[in-house]
Amino acid sequence: DGGITQSPKYLFRKEGQNVTLSCEQNLNHDAMYWYRQDPGQGLRLIYYSQIVNDFQKGDIAEGYSVSREKKESFPLTVTSAQKNPTAFYLCASSPGNFYGYTFGSGTRLTVV
Amino acid sequence: DQQVKQNSPSLSVQEGRISILNCDYTNSMFDYFLWYKKYPAEGPTFLISISSIKDKNEDGRFTVFLNKSAKHLSLHIVPSQPGDSAVYFCAAIQGAQKLVFGQGTRLTINP
Repeated sequence: DGGITQSPKYLFRKEGQNVTLSCEQNLNHDAMYWYRQDPGQGLRLIYYSQIVNDFQKGDIAEGYSVSREKKESFPLTVTSAQKNPTAFYLCASSPGNFYGYTFGSGTRLTVV
Repeated sequence: DQQVKQNSPSLSVQEGRISILNCDYTNSMFDYFLWYKKYPAEGPTFLISISSIKDKNEDGRFTVFLNKSAKHLSLHIVPSQPGDSAVYFCAAIQGAQKLVFGQGTRLTINP
């Protein structure tokens, strides 16, 4: 079955450490996205990539970095520069239209 | 600048009655509007959408209404069922595939 996989589901890190969240899709989608969910604020776009080796900042990119070396993979690194990293992170992919917009099951990151 | 707003954080409805979730937007250039349903610790799943050139779209128990002059859309669920209890996100899209989400409304269906 085609889908989008995020791992791990839960992640704990100490303050000041960088951490990388994995996102893999086997849907052959060109575009991939990272969102962050905080209570009462909905889903906010961090970064997105429409083709391999290219990505753009979303609305809240500060403190995050991404790479898109392969079509299937779009890892997100939460750096120590991110002031409030504790959140639920969602990865999504799209073939180029919203009907195919598919979300992963998310990673809950807790920084202590 | 919140372009898509869901002003009700929560809504409680009796099983079998109608649930109405509301959403307002500010950008008149949005092409499509979508509703997503989300359970805790899961990703959102697509529910229903509507093009900006239409005013109503129906799919089974779910109907979305769009009022362009008021920049307002609503999702009606009839009849409401316990499995409908979830967080519902309104989203809008313009051209380049980026979805803009509202804050979400937590719907609770009471038996």
